[in-house]
Amino acid sequence: GENVEQHPSTLSVQEGDSAVIKCTYSDSASNYFPWYKQELGKRPQLIIDIRSNVGEKKDQRIAVTLNKTAKHFSLHITETQPEDSAVYFCAASMFSGGYNKLIFGAGTRLAVHP
Amino acid sequence: NAGVMQNPRHLVRRRGQEARLRCSPMKGHSHVYWYRQLPEEGLKFMVYLQKENIIDESGMPKERFSAEFPKEGPSILRIQQVVRGDSAAYFCASSPPNRALEDETQYFGPGTRLLVL
Repeated sequence: GENVEQHPSTLSVQEGDSAVIKCTYSDSASNYFPWYKQELGKRPQLIIDIRSNVGEKKDQRIAVTLNKTAKHFSLHITETQPEDSAVYFCAASMFSGGYNKLIFGAGTRLAVHP
Repeated sequence: NAGVMQNPRHLVRRRGQEARLRCSPMKGHSHVYWYRQLPEEGLKFMVYLQKENIIDESGMPKERFSAEFPKEGPSILRIQQVVRGDSAAYFCASSPPNRALEDETQYFGPGTRLLVL
């Protein structure tokens, strides 16, 4: 089955710096890669996703890149702000049979210091 | 348009009791997923249901855990004879009934935090 590795487990940056979180997946059939942000005690919230027919996607300060050959994808946050502090989870799934079974990474705890 | 609703938000049970967790998907959504999150860990897939059907329960423990999504009413995750190791946050997510990959975004509920004493 699918396995997702996520690095680093913790990341500390100064406000205004960039943050990069990397994930690798094992199942080459996976075709959907969302990223979720989870604040303490809150629900995971989708911040960006990418499908396997796209190599890069950007939404304001957030971008995601996908390398299907190497089976890895990354989240890039530019101009970080203290409110970006949270746990970020990557996930991978293969859309099959009309549904996605998301396999999550272990998470990255991002701390943005003013 | 209300989001995914879960109740209770917090549930305390003693070992051996039963826990019932409820999830109401977003309006118009007919696909429900349940995930479990242990402290300081990622979310683990448990089960995927459509109305009146369990489609994929590959992540459900073989014993004590069951799920349903009746024609009317919320989806229920039921844990019988709870043990301390069941303490976790249980999240449900819903997605619309379309078949295109682009429509398969999952929206998460606020979760139920189960504590077993």
